[in-house]
Amino acid sequence: EPEVTQTPSHQVTQMGQEVILRCVPISNHLYFYWYRQILGQKVEFLVSFYNNEISEKSEIFDDQFSVERPDGSNFTLKIRSTKLEDSAMYFCAGRTGNSGNTIYFGEGSWLTVV
Amino acid sequence: RKEVEQDPGPFNVPEGATVAFNCTYSNSASQSFFWYRQDCRKEPKLLMSVYSSGNEDGRFTAQLNRASQYISLLIRDSKLSDSATYLCVGSSYNTDKLIFGTGTRLQVFP
Repeated sequence: EPEVTQTPSHQVTQMGQEVILRCVPISNHLYFYWYRQILGQKVEFLVSFYNNEISEKSEIFDDQFSVERPDGSNFTLKIRSTKLEDSAMYFCAGRTGNSGNTIYFGEGSWLTVV
Repeated sequence: RKEVEQDPGPFNVPEGATVAFNCTYSNSASQSFFWYRQDCRKEPKLLMSVYSSGNEDGRFTAQLNRASQYISLLIRDSKLSDSATYLCVGSSYNTDKLIFGTGTRLQVFP
């Protein structure tokens, strides 16, 4: 079964540093997402991405966050200047173009900001 | 009202038991519904979609009551491997995002 792969699986970074989380979606996926889950809390939507641009973003996704898919393969989430409260599991997800199609999640990148 | 609300549990049940989880939703999360399963520190995995007429997949049955804005998941003949957190998930009209509940923890013991 094809998988969404994410790197790194775990990263520890100092507050104020930039972090880039990478995702390789399933090859036939057209819609891409980032979600995050703070420890002990619910999974929260950050951003959706289609046709090389953001289609929707949440209030969490402020100017410190950005996404891109520069080479048609990797889908990245950049946090420009990390804060302690950015510590969370970040999940990349994707789906095909069919309406209502299943969204597949990657295994997540655990970010710890110290 | 929270968009998707669940009892966090935990539900501790013996193997072979039947257990039911409930979930309520608000108008902002009311287009489509799903149950996801999440193991500790793992990604959410789709368990089943929830249809208005109710649907069954093996030991799992999902029900939707739009009038009461209520969704349920029934697990029959619980297995040890069913131990996980079950996430009630909705999506809203004209948007692509999933709205997650906080999850209900299930622990099945021998």
